[in-house]
Amino acid sequence: EAQVTQNPRYLITVTGKKLTVTCSQNMNHEYMSWYRQDPGLGLRQIYYSMNVEVTDKGDVPEGYKVSRKEKRNFPLILESPSPNQTSLYFCASTTKREWASDTQYFGPGTRLTVL
Amino acid sequence: GENVEQHPSTLSVQEGDSAVIKCTYSDSASNYFPWYKQELGKRPQLIIDIRSNVGEKKDQRIAVTLNKTAKHFSLHITETQPEDSAVYFCAASYGNQFYFGTGTSLTVIP
Repeated sequence: EAQVTQNPRYLITVTGKKLTVTCSQNMNHEYMSWYRQDPGLGLRQIYYSMNVEVTDKGDVPEGYKVSRKEKRNFPLILESPSPNQTSLYFCASTTKREWASDTQYFGPGTRLTVL
Repeated sequence: GENVEQHPSTLSVQEGDSAVIKCTYSDSASNYFPWYKQELGKRPQLIIDIRSNVGEKKDQRIAVTLNKTAKHFSLHITETQPEDSAVYFCAASYGNQFYFGTGTSLTVIP
């Protein structure tokens, strides 16, 4: 079954404690992306990756890191989480060619609370 | 960067009526406009999309129209049903980035 998976689904942590949210897709997609969803703000893009070892900042990258060492995985890293990073996070992937777009498939979401 | 505005933020319609959600964008280079439906506690799912070389696209009860000159696009849902109740997001994309609207909470009253 074609899917995007995220782990963990729920996480409560404390300020400053490094954490990683994993994302994996089995569709051989080149493009992967991370979003955060906050009430009244919609989805905002944090980082995206066009392919292995190619990552770039989205609209709200501050406080986040990503890596793309393998095509299927795109982890989101919070080196020193702060309460303003409490949010619902979605990973997404798509086969995306230059100057064109295709359907984005979203993961199930990770609800993060930073105390 | 791109700025996408979405209206209304909430919308209630009677079952069987039509619903229209409108979005505007600021960057004339945006060339891909998807619409997502998000049910409570679920992930966003694509329901329809349109590319900048097309003015209108229809899929059963759902249609999207795009006016490139005015830089706005709209989602039209006809013959609404209770299962259409959800939050709908528009988005605009240019190159590698996606910009989302703030969402419309649609309630279909049986």
